[in-house]
Amino acid sequence: AQTVTQSQPEMSVQEAETVTLSCTYDTSESDYYLFWYKQPPSRQMILVIRQEAYKQQNATENRFSVNFQKAAKSFSLKISDSQLGDAAMYFCAYRSRLSQKLVFGQGTRLTINP
Amino acid sequence: EAQVTQNPRYLITVTGKKLTVTCSQNMNHEYMSWYRQDPGLGLRQIYYSMNVEVTDKGDVPEGYKVSRKEKRNFPLILESPSPNQTSLYFCASSSRNQPQHFGDGTRLSIL
Repeated sequence: AQTVTQSQPEMSVQEAETVTLSCTYDTSESDYYLFWYKQPPSRQMILVIRQEAYKQQNATENRFSVNFQKAAKSFSLKISDSQLGDAAMYFCAYRSRLSQKLVFGQGTRLTINP
Repeated sequence: EAQVTQNPRYLITVTGKKLTVTCSQNMNHEYMSWYRQDPGLGLRQIYYSMNVEVTDKGDVPEGYKVSRKEKRNFPLILESPSPNQTSLYFCASSSRNQPQHFGDGTRLSIL
């Protein structure tokens, strides 16, 4: 079974600085998707970024980018120019191409210090 | 507006009193799923449905039931709730190979 591990329960960063959230996963499959979701205090699950495993190029969405290392099974999220609105719980998730099921990590709570 | 709607948003109830959390989506998605979120555990899948009348267990199905009589609706039923089912619940839907859309969550407290 696939597993996803986020080893940082909490992180904090100064406003306007850059922060990286770590995620590792375990799978025997070669074709899959990886996601980062943001959960603000409102509890909504907001998709931040998505990576397809067969694509070597790292995904980027404005200030959010990933470092996808397939061989190491690592999928970190970099947030540049951190803003107060980035404060949230962040979840890393895995999905096989053959399934719609999402497997989530434990989450990392990100605090932005003004 | 494309959305997944869950009701209620909050519920406090007592052990053993049957309850249903409704989920409805307006995007004609085939796939729907229920997750529960607990501190330190992330979200875990309870049940999922690939289409009408097709449902299957996820990772933590004990104590829950679901049904999929219509494509848009996927209710979660707790026949005899217990305190260990106190959690934050999310319904999600998607079409094939597309990211899942999540509802806004239901906070259940079982006393």
